[in-house]
Amino acid sequence: EAQVTQNPRYLITVTGKKLTVTCSQNMNHEYMSWYRQDPGLGLRQIYYSMNVEVTDKGDVPEGYKVSRKEKRNFPLILESPSPNQTSLYFCASSFIWTGVFTEAFFGQGTRLTVV
Amino acid sequence: AQSVTQPDIHITVSEGASLELRCNYSYGATPYLFWYVQSPGQGLQLLLKYFSGDTLVQGIKGFEAEFKRSQSSFNLRKPSVHWSDAAEYFCAVGADGQNFVFGPGTRLSVLP
Repeated sequence: EAQVTQNPRYLITVTGKKLTVTCSQNMNHEYMSWYRQDPGLGLRQIYYSMNVEVTDKGDVPEGYKVSRKEKRNFPLILESPSPNQTSLYFCASSFIWTGVFTEAFFGQGTRLTVV
Repeated sequence: AQSVTQPDIHITVSEGASLELRCNYSYGATPYLFWYVQSPGQGLQLLLKYFSGDTLVQGIKGFEAEFKRSQSSFNLRKPSVHWSDAAEYFCAVGADGQNFVFGPGTRLSVLP
């Protein structure tokens, strides 16, 4: 089954404790992206990646890191989480090139609470 | 710069009434256009998409959208709203080799 898988689905952590949210897709998509969703603010893009080893900042990259060492994986790293990073996070992936362009496929979301 | 606007933050309609959600975009390339829906506590589900061809596209759950290049718009419509349509709706734009851009969303409330 084609899917984008995020883990964990729920996470409560303490300020300053490094964490990683994983995202994996099994559709061989070049494009992957991370978003955070907060009440009244819609989806805000954190980072995106056009292909392996190619990443770029979105609208709200501060406090986050990403890496794209393999095509299928795009982990989101919070080196020193703070309470203002408490949010709902979504990972997405897609084909974005001529002839194969598709919609963005989303993971189920990760609800992160930083206390 | 690429951008997507959804002028209505929150819309309330009565059940059975018609619905139109607005989406305007500013994009340098020929766009591909999408509408997604997010029900409370859920992830994002694709309602419909426009790639080329007929500018009126049909989607799931009785929704349709019309692409108007001259107005840079891709408005979502439904002739008769059901209570289960209460959700947040996002318009999105993409293009070959370009980043996806999402609008800020429109929250739809449905009155019984």
